[in-house]
Amino acid sequence: SQKIEQNSEALNIQEGKTATLTCNYTNYSPAYLQWYRQDPGRGPVFLLLIRENEKEKRKERLKVTFDTTLKQSLFHITASQPADSATYLCALAFNFGNEKLTFGTGTRLTIIP
Amino acid sequence: EAQVTQNPRYLITVTGKKLTVTCSQNMNHEYMSWYRQDPGLGLRQIYYSMNVEVTDKGDVPEGYKVSRKEKRNFPLILESPSPNQTSLYFCASSLYQGTFRHSYNEQFFGPGTRLTVL
Repeated sequence: SQKIEQNSEALNIQEGKTATLTCNYTNYSPAYLQWYRQDPGRGPVFLLLIRENEKEKRKERLKVTFDTTLKQSLFHITASQPADSATYLCALAFNFGNEKLTFGTGTRLTIIP
Repeated sequence: EAQVTQNPRYLITVTGKKLTVTCSQNMNHEYMSWYRQDPGLGLRQIYYSMNVEVTDKGDVPEGYKVSRKEKRNFPLILESPSPNQTSLYFCASSLYQGTFRHSYNEQFFGPGTRLTVL
């Protein structure tokens, strides 16, 4: 069955540095991949989407890469700030037909002032 | 304001007592979905609906029912709740464009319902 792994359960980064989160998957490559942010006690909020034929996407301080050979997506936050502290989820869609997203378990990111 | 609302936000109940968690969206989205979130297991899809009167099972449908009589509402029904259904539940919706390779499935999530079954 399809498996999604996010590199670590928790990641601590010094303020101002670049935070890099990893999402690895097995078996089939997704049609597209999304990243969400989730704050404690709240629902996930969409950040970025990258399609299988795209290598990189950017939005302000966020960057996502997608390597179908490595079966991996990297999520970068540059010039990190304490307000970036949250759990980040990757979600993969393997089938356009039913819009089903399969989520990873998330990485809890803490930006240390 | 565009949003997905869920009620109740918190619920403590006992085994076997039927309950319904409501979900409503005001964005005219075709696609709606229910997830449960458990520590170490992430978000898992329970049921989804691609349009009115069209529903289908997700990864963990056992013990749950849904209905989609109107576009905006997608209630989750637990006919006979059990302690293993204690979890954090999220409803989500998205604009389903239905065109291969052009669908943009950003999902909008509700605030969550924390359910405890004793």
